[in-house]
Amino acid sequence: AQSVTQPDIHITVSEGASLELRCNYSYGATPYLFWYVQSPGQGLQLLLKYFSGDTLVQGIKGFEAEFKRSQSSFNLRKPSVHWSDAAEYFCAVGDTGTASKLTFGTGTRLQVTL
Amino acid sequence: DAGVIQSPRHEVTEMGQEVTLRCKPISGHNSLFWYRQTMMRGLELLIYFNNNVPIDDSGMPEDRFSAKMPNASFSTLKIQPSEPRDSAVYFCASSRGGTGELFFGEGSRLTVL
Repeated sequence: AQSVTQPDIHITVSEGASLELRCNYSYGATPYLFWYVQSPGQGLQLLLKYFSGDTLVQGIKGFEAEFKRSQSSFNLRKPSVHWSDAAEYFCAVGDTGTASKLTFGTGTRLQVTL
Repeated sequence: DAGVIQSPRHEVTEMGQEVTLRCKPISGHNSLFWYRQTMMRGLELLIYFNNNVPIDDSGMPEDRFSAKMPNASFSTLKIQPSEPRDSAVYFCASSRGGTGELFFGEGSRLTVL
């Protein structure tokens, strides 16, 4: 069965600093991978996704993620964090049979200090 | 364009009562998902529909939970009877099948006393 691990429950960074959120997945074949963001009291919003091709994918709000098959990882990065990036971030893996059936990680809560 | 619309946003009920949560997906989306979010278990997929047909309900916790999608623009998730452990935020999401891009509603926060 597919699964996702986000080892960091909570991360605090200063505004303007770089950010990397970790995600490791378990899946038998090449997975479909996603990062979603959830602001307090809101639903989740897609930041970016990887299906195939270039292993470095760009998303909205200046985020990017790199798929590394050898490490079973799909880490999310941003070079300079803004206070408005404070939220919870979820990595997800999709079944290649139907990309929309997603299994989510437990999330990483990002706090940004000014 | 309107996003996914869920109602009610908040529901407080007593144990044993029936709860019905409603969802209107984005027009043109043919897949609909019900997720439950709790602190302990995170986001769990309960059931998803494709073209109004339930495809996978393996996440539905027990027979007290049921979901329907009578047409492309409406779905319900029903809990009968409700229990305190059902307290959670229930999200509905829709997508164009196969894209992996789910559009989430704002959720229905359920509290069962």
